Amino acid sequence: DGGITQSPKYLFRKEGQNVTLSCEQNLNHDAMYWYRQDPGQGLRLIYYSQIVNDFQKGDIAEGYSVSREKKESFPLTVTSAQKNPTAFYLCASSIGQGIVNTQYFGPGTRLTVL
Amino acid sequence: AQSVAQPEDQVNVAEGNPLTVKCTYSVSGNPYLFWYVQYPNRGLQFLLKYITGDNLVKGSYGFEAEFNKSQTSFHLKKPSALVSDSALYFCAAGGDSSYKLIFGSGTRLLVRP
Repeated sequence: DGGITQSPKYLFRKEGQNVTLSCEQNLNHDAMYWYRQDPGQGLRLIYYSQIVNDFQKGDIAEGYSVSREKKESFPLTVTSAQKNPTAFYLCASSIGQGIVNTQYFGPGTRLTVL
Repeated sequence: AQSVAQPEDQVNVAEGNPLTVKCTYSVSGNPYLFWYVQYPNRGLQFLLKYITGDNLVKGSYGFEAEFNKSQTSFHLKKPSALVSDSALYFCAAGGDSSYKLIFGSGTRLLVRP
């Protein structure tokens, strides 16, 4: 997990609330990613960013938003439009764009909707 | 469509015995293949990857994986399992023309003393 931090570790959200998950990396990586992990399923890509001020939707972007104003930061907002947000959220980064570059993961944030 | 299959939800092995965790893939173009390990409530840790070259890839903690192009497989192996190897293992793949990794559903490895 070294070099990538995610906060908070645990997050509880009430129905109708937006919440923001933090992801910071000090690896000087250009590319950053957000994944969602549900029990018994692999990781699913929410959003990714290959460079500052640019990002693209992944497979399950509905109900989520991101920003990439700084190279080291890629926060994810889970909006009230996300119908089933309870999951484990993982942030990753890689030195450059393209899957040839290994993605390194943060420790994750577990989000629970009350 | 691109996909990764890990056919076993759980693999049980005795400490000291060899272990194999299976993975097959379907991607467009040349495959890039990865193995990650996840301990409870933690992020994924990178173990090894295949990009090109030797079919046998060596990685962290004594793990290795064998790329088999004809069988489209990338099985993870270790000659002698440790109890501390017990964890969730993910295989991931992508084609060289793809922008994203596809992850398998994960295999839980349980090494008993």
